[in-house]
This record gives sequence, structure tokens and C-alpha cells, in this order.
Amino acid sequence: EPEVTQTPSHQVTQMGQEVILRCVPISNHLYFYWYRQILGQKVEFLVSFYNNEISEKSEIFDDQFSVERPDGSNFTLKIRSTKLEDSAMYFCASSEGYGTSYEQYFGPGTRLTVT
Amino acid sequence: GQQLNQSPQSMFIQEGEDVSMNCTSSSIFNTWLWYKQEPGEGPVLLIALYKAGELTSNGRLTAQFGITRKDSFLNISASIPSDVGIYFCAGHPSQGGSEKLVFGKGTKLTVNP
Repeated sequence: EPEVTQTPSHQVTQMGQEVILRCVPISNHLYFYWYRQILGQKVEFLVSFYNNEISEKSEIFDDQFSVERPDGSNFTLKIRSTKLEDSAMYFCASSEGYGTSYEQYFGPGTRLTVT
Repeated sequence: GQQLNQSPQSMFIQEGEDVSMNCTSSSIFNTWLWYKQEPGEGPVLLIALYKAGELTSNGRLTAQFGITRKDSFLNISASIPSDVGIYFCAGHPSQGGSEKLVFGKGTKLTVNP
């Protein structure tokens, strides 16, 4: 069964450093998403991406964040200058397309620890 | 903004018991989804609901989309130890063009063998 994959599973970085989290969405899916989950809290939407551009972003997704689809398979989230409060699980998700776009399938997540 | 209120926060049950959890909102949602999350893993989609009043089953799981489009429940029948995890409701807001999912805070289920 096709699944969303994410790398790395755990990333430790120092405050102020840049990090890139990587995702490979399900191959025939057209919509891609990033969510985050601070430990013990609910899952929060960050950004959605369709047709090589951001289609929606939340107030969390400020200028320090960017997303890119550098090739036909990868989808990345970059945090330019990490802060302590960026420590969280980051989940990538993908969905087929309009009409079934609400069925979003999640990857296993990347645990980001900022020290 | 849209918020989903999920209850109960946690449940401790014996294997074989039935479980019910629900999600309510003051806002209308076009779609309700139920996910399960196990420790260290991503949310796994269990059931998606698209129409008000819709009742959908997936094995021992049954979920309903409320008539008002402001609530949903999930039932698990004859629970087993592998049902342990956190169950999240998620909704797709009715405002035009939004693709994001709004999540509830989750119901943590513990099943005692």
C-alpha cells in the first residue's frame, strides 16, 4: 500500500540553524501539506501546496518557513533560523485531488528538537 | 476561528467493551474525518464522512456526521488491546476554498486486557 515517507525521523539542531525536513508524498497525489504537533497537543495546519505553489498557510507559517517541491517526488519544509518553540513533530500529508482532497494521508513524522 | 471540542479526553476500558467518543464545534464543517495516532507515529485515517447524517462503518468502527454539520461521533465495538492510541477528529471548514484540516485535541484510549 502506498504511503507517505519522511526523513529524517529525528533531527536535533541548535537555535538559529537552518533545517530542511523532507517528504515523499504518495505518487499520484496532487495536494501536499505540512502540519506540526507540539508534544501532547493537537495537530496544527501549517501550509498546503498545489500546482507548485502555496495554496494556503496558517499564521504559524511565517517568513522563517518555506516549502519546495524540488523534483517530481520530494516535498520539503525549510525553517531558516530555528527557535526553541519550533521543537515539535512535523507531519507531511498528501491527498489525491479535488473531491477527495479532504482524505489526507500522513507520514510518520520528523521529530525536531531545537536546543 | 474554527475549533473542535473532543470528549472525553481519556478513557480507560476493559477489553471487549464498546467505546464512544465525540466531537463538537460551533462552526459548520463540510467533512469530518477520524484518525488514530499511536506513540511516535503519524495519524492514520480511519473514516471519512462527507454528508450530514451519514453513518459509515469500517470493521468495528462506526462514525456519524451530525445533521447540523457541527458534530460527529466515533464508536468502537468489542475493543481489543490494539485499539490503544489517541483518536482525533478532524474537520474541513466550510469556508470556501480552504483545504486545511482542523483537529480536535484527541481522546486517549487505554484498553485493559
